[in-house]
Amino acid sequence: ELKVEQNPLFLSMQEGKNYTIYCNYSTTSDRLYWYRQDPGKSLESLFVLLSNGAVKQEGRLMASLDTKARLSTLHITAAVHDLSATYFCAVDEVASGAGSYQLTFGKGTKLSVIP
Amino acid sequence: KAGVTQTPRYLIKTRGQQVTLSCSPISGHRSVSWYQQTPGQGLQFLFEYFSETQRNKGNFPGRFSGRQFSNSRSEMNVSTLELGDSALYLCASSQGRLYEQYFGPGTRLTVT
Repeated sequence: ELKVEQNPLFLSMQEGKNYTIYCNYSTTSDRLYWYRQDPGKSLESLFVLLSNGAVKQEGRLMASLDTKARLSTLHITAAVHDLSATYFCAVDEVASGAGSYQLTFGKGTKLSVIP
Repeated sequence: KAGVTQTPRYLIKTRGQQVTLSCSPISGHRSVSWYQQTPGQGLQFLFEYFSETQRNKGNFPGRFSGRQFSNSRSEMNVSTLELGDSALYLCASSQGRLYEQYFGPGTRLTVT
């Protein structure tokens, strides 16, 4: 059974600081996704990482994937209050080459950025 | 481009009843996935449909079922509702496995 572990689960940080959220998973998947969820809202796609060594950046967020270590990171640079939300990573556990997919989500990291 | 729509947005049902939720994907997206989100279990995969075929099913009892129509719209049905079925049910559409999924606003189901 695929396990996806995020840490920390709760993160309180001051504006202007940097921090990293970690996502470890137990399978050899090379497809990992990051999502953001605001309270009471649905999920917003942030990044799709499709190969070992993939790195993507959008604004103050940067995501990377190391399939050998089964680890993805979401790095936050110079946090601002607007980044306060819950961040989820999700791993596709279906074997490569198959057309279908099935995502297993981590528990989420609730980020609070304090002014 | 219109986003993923889900109806209804809120629903209150009684134990033992059944419920049908609807999802309309983004135009051109043939893959539709359903997820259940609860505070205790988090986000859990229910099933994925592509061109009217269920390709994957998560670890849920047979009371949970779904289907997809030729226009890619999808429905999920839960029969014999239990209190534990209270959750936010999210639908997501995609062009396929290598593309990002776009989530709808969700249907919040409360079972009393």
